[in-house]
This record gives sequence, C-alpha cells and structure tokens, in this order.
Amino acid sequence: NAGVMQNPRHLVRRRGQEARLRCSPMKGHSHVYWYRQLPEEGLKFMVYLQKENIIDESGMPKERFSAEFPKEGPSILRIQQVVRGDSAAYFCASRTENYYEQYFGPGTRLTVT
Amino acid sequence: GESVGLHLPTLSVQEGDNSIINCAYSNSASDYFIWYKQESGKGPQFIIDIRSNMDKRQGQRVTVLLNKTVKHLSLQIAATQPGDSAVYFCAENTNDYKLSFGAGTTVTVRA
Repeated sequence: NAGVMQNPRHLVRRRGQEARLRCSPMKGHSHVYWYRQLPEEGLKFMVYLQKENIIDESGMPKERFSAEFPKEGPSILRIQQVVRGDSAAYFCASRTENYYEQYFGPGTRLTVT
Repeated sequence: GESVGLHLPTLSVQEGDNSIINCAYSNSASDYFIWYKQESGKGPQFIIDIRSNMDKRQGQRVTVLLNKTVKHLSLQIAATQPGDSAVYFCAENTNDYKLSFGAGTTVTVRA
C-alpha cells in the first residue's frame, strides 16, 4: 500500500506566478489535510478536506490560496500570484474515517524567487 | 496562540542513553495525542499515539506519558541511537480530527 504521494517534491516559481501542489492520499483515505512549515518551525494547519468538500479552511490565507479534493484525482493546493513569503514546505496528510492518525507525505518545497 | 508547546527546543543526548522530550498543551478538551518524528527533508513520521483515557503507552523503544492534571505529554526514547536524531513534534486533536502541532524539539545524538 503506497503512502501519501506529493508532487512535485520541489517547485521554483517567480513572484507573481501560480503554484499548484498535488497530493494523492493513501488508498482508502477520504480525508486530506494541508499544512505549511516554515524553516525551523512546526507545522501550521491550513485546510481540511473530504471528497468534494472543504471541511475547515480556517488556517488558509483569505487571498491567493485555494484547495480542492475532487471526486476523482488528487487534492490540489493552489497558490496564485506567489510572493517570497510563500516559500515553505507544504505537507499533505490523509486519514481514514473515524481514526485520528494522519499519515504525511514527503512534502513539496516551494521556493519563490 | 499555540495550544501545544515544547519545553526545550533542542536536546543533546549521548548514544545509548535515554531521551525524554516534553510537551505542554493547553486545551483540556483534547482527547488524542500523537508524537511525530521528522528527519531533515522528509515529512513527519508517526511514532506513537495515546488517547486521553490512558496515562501511558509503550511501543518499540518508545513510551508516551500523559498527565492530564498538568496537561503535560512526554516521549521517552530508550537507548537512543544515531538514527533517532531528528525533530520531534507532539500534536493534539483539538477539534473534529484536526491536529495542532507544537514547535518541535531537535534531538541530536552524540556518538
């Protein structure tokens, strides 16, 4: 059973461009979370999604950031018009119904130049 | 603010010794806690978890202790090995399966 997959692993964008980060949860997992990690800091919750639904986006910046988890395909975290402050590692985690344990992917390291 | 925090940002331990990593939390309603290990350039890796109706749980070389009275969580690693060098995070379930993470403790194992 493959773990949580994220791609790309590294992404470089110029200021003003768009970044699309993809996450494929573990097989059988219908709950997905996105976290952001700045250097030397802990993980900060961004958004919690189930298939076709956003459950909690309280950690997501109000502008430029959006997330989706369609019925088919991976979850996507989209950052429009990236700025240098968006440079960070973005982690996706997934879990099954009724279990708290979240399994993390390897992350996407976004660098904005 | 942060509902989960760690007492020490770094811990240096001699190979073979036991390590103790501490964590304080503020949400008395939290009912589930996890310890994660994160190596450089990788995602967090599950180590051990504990529910609020327990005060101790043991795994392979690791033990988690939960003191709900003082809202304190600790991770004990027995016979620390070089491969244990990493950043360790505690996390608590705060609301509807959403985890809140502490800032992390960097553990360095000395040969």
